[in-house]
Amino acid sequence: RKEVEQDPGPFNVPEGATVAFNCTYSNSASQSFFWYRQDCRKEPKLLMSVYSSGNEDGRFTAQLNRASQYISLLIRDSKLSDSATYLCALPNAGKSTFGDGTTLTVKP
Amino acid sequence: DADVTQTPRNRITKTGKRIMLECSQTKGHDRMYWYRQDPGLGLRLIYYSFDVKDINKGEISDGYSVSRQAQAKFSLSLESAIPNQTALYFCATSDLSSGRGGEQFFGPGTRLTVL
Repeated sequence: RKEVEQDPGPFNVPEGATVAFNCTYSNSASQSFFWYRQDCRKEPKLLMSVYSSGNEDGRFTAQLNRASQYISLLIRDSKLSDSATYLCALPNAGKSTFGDGTTLTVKP
Repeated sequence: DADVTQTPRNRITKTGKRIMLECSQTKGHDRMYWYRQDPGLGLRLIYYSFDVKDINKGEISDGYSVSRQAQAKFSLSLESAIPNQTALYFCATSDLSSGRGGEQFFGPGTRLTVL
């Protein structure tokens, strides 16, 4: 089993929709998690950090389920500009393990 | 000005050539990383360095070497490039002293094509 696995996607949703991605992890000792956003051919940029049960920032909510070992990213009221690839990452011992990413396309 | 810079941004080379990719940062971070990304895949760690005297292999270090010339500079070399090293390469930095547990800051990437 891979250390970090993400929903394969792609997700194609209309503007205004609510969409959620999951990221499962195998290391039960993981204490913090990150969601990064990556636009096509660009560098990943931090979207949200999750250190406890969850985090919310505007239309974006990240939740952690330790019992089932997954983190989710919920995007409400999707915008065209939300179209991107979303990577989850687990830091461990100074490194990070990244998922393969979930691609979201928001259509008019 | 970008905090993490990479040069070159694009490079086309031939099989067997030696290539160096350079990364510089002005963030003052101790930790630096090199990743490669292939289409449809996530980031795979090639090498990482926790300070100038510390170099560690990542999951895919074969065919690559690195040099940490200073806190701010971390170079990746392909000793003899081969076509399956064609990929997008990212440099990243992090600073655990910030207490944020490992957030990484990425450079803009180098697109390398090996013919």
